[in-house]
Amino acid sequence: AQSVSQHNHHVILSEAASLELGCNYSYGGTVNLFWYVQYPGQHLQLLLKYFSGDPLVKGIKGFEAEFIKSKFSFNLRKPSVQWSDTAEYFCAVTSLPGGYNKLIFGAGTRLAVHP
Amino acid sequence: DGGITQSPKYLFRKEGQNVTLSCEQNLNHDAMYWYRQDPGQGLRLIYYSQIVNDFQKGDIAEGYSVSREKKESFPLTVTSAQKNPTAFYLCASSAPTSGRAIWSGELFFGEGSRLTVL
Repeated sequence: AQSVSQHNHHVILSEAASLELGCNYSYGGTVNLFWYVQYPGQHLQLLLKYFSGDPLVKGIKGFEAEFIKSKFSFNLRKPSVQWSDTAEYFCAVTSLPGGYNKLIFGAGTRLAVHP
Repeated sequence: DGGITQSPKYLFRKEGQNVTLSCEQNLNHDAMYWYRQDPGQGLRLIYYSQIVNDFQKGDIAEGYSVSREKKESFPLTVTSAQKNPTAFYLCASSAPTSGRAIWSGELFFGEGSRLTVL
């Protein structure tokens, strides 16, 4: 069965530190990849997505992610985090064809950024 | 504003009782979903529906039931058969609208309903 692994469950950083959150998936075929973010007290929302093309995708608020097919990875990065980045981050994958209704989520990573 | 409305936000129930969580969307999305969020386990798919009057089991459907009588509404019933119902439940919907060939990949989520079984 398809699965998504997020390596870090909790990450604590100081402001201006660089961030990289790991995400690996198990499916060997064509996939669509996503990062979602849940800020405290807010809806879960899309941060960025990869469907095809340039494996380096940019999302909102300065986040980017790189798809490395050979490593089955889709790590999330930000060069300099802010206190407002404190949130829970979820990696998700859906397989193609026919899998568009089944978005599989990782366990999530809680990021705390200290001023 | 367009979006997804879940109610109630907080719900308490006694063991053995069924409870229904409401989910309404005005985004004109065909597909709707129910996920369960537990600490350290991420989101797990309970049921999803691609179109009115049709729905499919997700990965953890046991003890749950749904209906999709209207495009805008996808209520979830947590039955007494669900062994560990205390959780945070998230409803979502997705594009495309009818007839579009490519799915955008973006789910739009409600604020969630927190169910506690006493």
